[in-house]
Amino acid sequence: GDSVTQMEGPVTLSEEAFLTINCTYTATGYPSLFWYVQYPGEGLQLLLKATKADDKGSNKGFEATYRKETTSFHLEKGSVQVSDSAVYFCALGGSQGNLIFGKGTKLSVKP
Amino acid sequence: DAGVIQSPRHEVTEMGQEVTLRCKPISGHNSLFWYRQTMMRGLELLIYFNNNVPIDDSGMPEDRFSAKMPNASFSTLKIQPSEPRDSAVYFCASSRGTGLELFFGSGTQLSVL
Repeated sequence: GDSVTQMEGPVTLSEEAFLTINCTYTATGYPSLFWYVQYPGEGLQLLLKATKADDKGSNKGFEATYRKETTSFHLEKGSVQVSDSAVYFCALGGSQGNLIFGKGTKLSVKP
Repeated sequence: DAGVIQSPRHEVTEMGQEVTLRCKPISGHNSLFWYRQTMMRGLELLIYFNNNVPIDDSGMPEDRFSAKMPNASFSTLKIQPSEPRDSAVYFCASSRGTGLELFFGSGTQLSVL
């Protein structure tokens, strides 16, 4: 069945460092792909999305490109801030209309 | 828009008691999802509804769990009887249609002692 695999955390970075969180997926067809972010004590909120191959989603300095050939959707940011500390979830749109999430990657950014 | 509203925010109960979690989706959204989040298992889909009809409940862990959506503006998730291993954060989310952006509530932190 459809599934998402993302890199294990936690990830600890210094402010202004470059961030990459890897995400790969297994799915039939070409699902939409998403990154969600969860700040402490809150629910998940959409960070960015891509609906077809080679699309690049971007928001708040974060980017991810839908790579069909490598079935990947890696999240990147050139310069992280302390306020980016959160848990990041990769997800794909399932064939049944639901979202299938990865296990999440906790990011801690130190000043 | 008020967003997805869940209640209560926190629930502490004793093993064997009945627990009811409530969710009000965003007006106009026709899909509603219940997720459970734990450290060990991450975010698990329990059940989801489309136009108030349960579409997939394969994630409901066992018969102790039940969910209803009597109308487009309200859903409940009930655990009876509750057990310590049910302790988790339960999220409700809604969307306009399927496969589109999900909007999450703030969750219910459930502790079963």
